[in-house]
Amino acid sequence: GAGVSQSPSNKVTEKGKDVELRCDPISGHTALYWYRQSLGQGLEFLIYFQGNSAPDKSGLPSDRFSAERTGGSVSTLTIQRTQQEDSAVYLCASSSTSGGFSEQYFGPGTRLTVT
Amino acid sequence: AQSVTQLDSQVPVFEEAPVELRCNYSSSVSVYLFWYVQYPNQGLQLLLKYLSGSTLVESINGFEAEFNKSQTSFHLRKPSVHISDTAEYFCAVTPSGSARQLTFGSGTQLTVLP
Repeated sequence: GAGVSQSPSNKVTEKGKDVELRCDPISGHTALYWYRQSLGQGLEFLIYFQGNSAPDKSGLPSDRFSAERTGGSVSTLTIQRTQQEDSAVYLCASSSTSGGFSEQYFGPGTRLTVT
Repeated sequence: AQSVTQLDSQVPVFEEAPVELRCNYSSSVSVYLFWYVQYPNQGLQLLLKYLSGSTLVESINGFEAEFNKSQTSFHLRKPSVHISDTAEYFCAVTPSGSARQLTFGSGTQLTVLP
C-alpha cells in the first residue's frame, strides 16, 4: 500500500509569513509524529498524536508552531510568522499501534526555506 | 528523558573494508534501540532494531548491531561495505513498552570510497 506522503515537497516563504505543511499517514495507523531535521539541531521531535488522545506537544519549539490531526488521519503542521531559523526539513511518521512497539514509517519530508 | 550520542559525524571508508559506527545512549528507563538510514535525497528507513532477546541484531543487507547494556552502546557494524552503503545513519531510542517519539543521535555520514 501507499506509504506516508507529505506535501508540499518544497516550500519557500518569506520571513513573517505563515505556512502549512501536510501529512497523510499510512491508512489505519493510529499514531502520527512530526519531527524536524535541521543542520544545527539534527532530528528533533515536535509533536505526537495517538488516536483521540490529547497530543504530546512537548517538542514544539515555540507557540508559533501548532498542529492538528483531523478525523484521526491527515495532519497539518502550521508555523506562524516564520523565522529564518525555521528553515529545515519537516518529517512526518506514522505507526500502527497504541502500545508496545510498532515501527515508525517516515514520509519524504517537506523542505522549508524561509528567506 | 533519553539522549543519544553518535561520536563520529563523518566516516570515510574504502569499499570492501569493515566499518563500525558508534552509538551511545543515556536513559533512566529501559529502551528500545534503532538504527535508521537515510540515502541521498530519500526518507528515513529503519535498518534494524533491538527490542528484547538476543543482543545481536542483523539487517537484511549485512549490517549488524549489538546492544551492550553495561556500556549503554548500540554500535553498528558491517564486515565489508559497498559503494551503495553511502548514506547517513542515525541511532535512535525510545522508552521500551511504548509507542512514543524517537530520540535521535546527530547522525553519521558514511562515505564508501572506490
